[in-house]
Amino acid sequence: DAGVTQSPTHLIKTRGQQVTLRCSPKSGHDTVSWYQQALGQGPQFIFQYYEEEERQRGNFPDRFSGHQFPNYSSELNVNALLLGDSALYLCASSLVEGYGYTFGSGTRLTVV
Amino acid sequence: KNEVEQSPQNLTAQEGEFITINCSYSVGISALHWLQQHPGGGIVSLFMLSSGKKKHGRLIATINIQEKHSSLHITASHPRDSAVYICAPEDDKIIFGKGTRLHILP
Repeated sequence: DAGVTQSPTHLIKTRGQQVTLRCSPKSGHDTVSWYQQALGQGPQFIFQYYEEEERQRGNFPDRFSGHQFPNYSSELNVNALLLGDSALYLCASSLVEGYGYTFGSGTRLTVV
Repeated sequence: KNEVEQSPQNLTAQEGEFITINCSYSVGISALHWLQQHPGGGIVSLFMLSSGKKKHGRLIATINIQEKHSSLHITASHPRDSAVYICAPEDDKIIFGKGTRLHILP
């Protein structure tokens, strides 16, 4: 049984560009949460998707947007990339009740 | 004030030592997760607990809901336990602590 799958694993982008990160949740999970982890810091909550809608949002600008598809997979989009967006982006899936959080290995984004 | 405080932030110990990592939180929670993160980023869920104590191998996690405090213990520590350990209380979303960087020397 596959856990959470994130792609790509590594990515290098230039300032001002746009990026899309992808997450496939664990089988049976219906909720996807996205986190940004800067070097040496704990992950920070970006947003959570359930039933194809943004259910909650952390303190991130509108440049960060997302989407959830009918098969529960999700995308994180970041527009107008800044150097400070360089981080590990983690996806976690769960059931809407919040049980059984499972984390992906993350996508390491470097903005140059 | 941070919602989740972990201590210590960094810990270096000799192989075989008993390790304790503490977590205090200020939010109401439905559960609390202890997570392990190795270099490279992958996060592994060690425990999810909402009361009492759980044990898995050499790892023990305890939580006191009234005091809003949890501890992670590692018995007979080994160099392969070297990692970042993250406390993550959960209410309607997970809030992560900054982590404790553990280094076990052989």
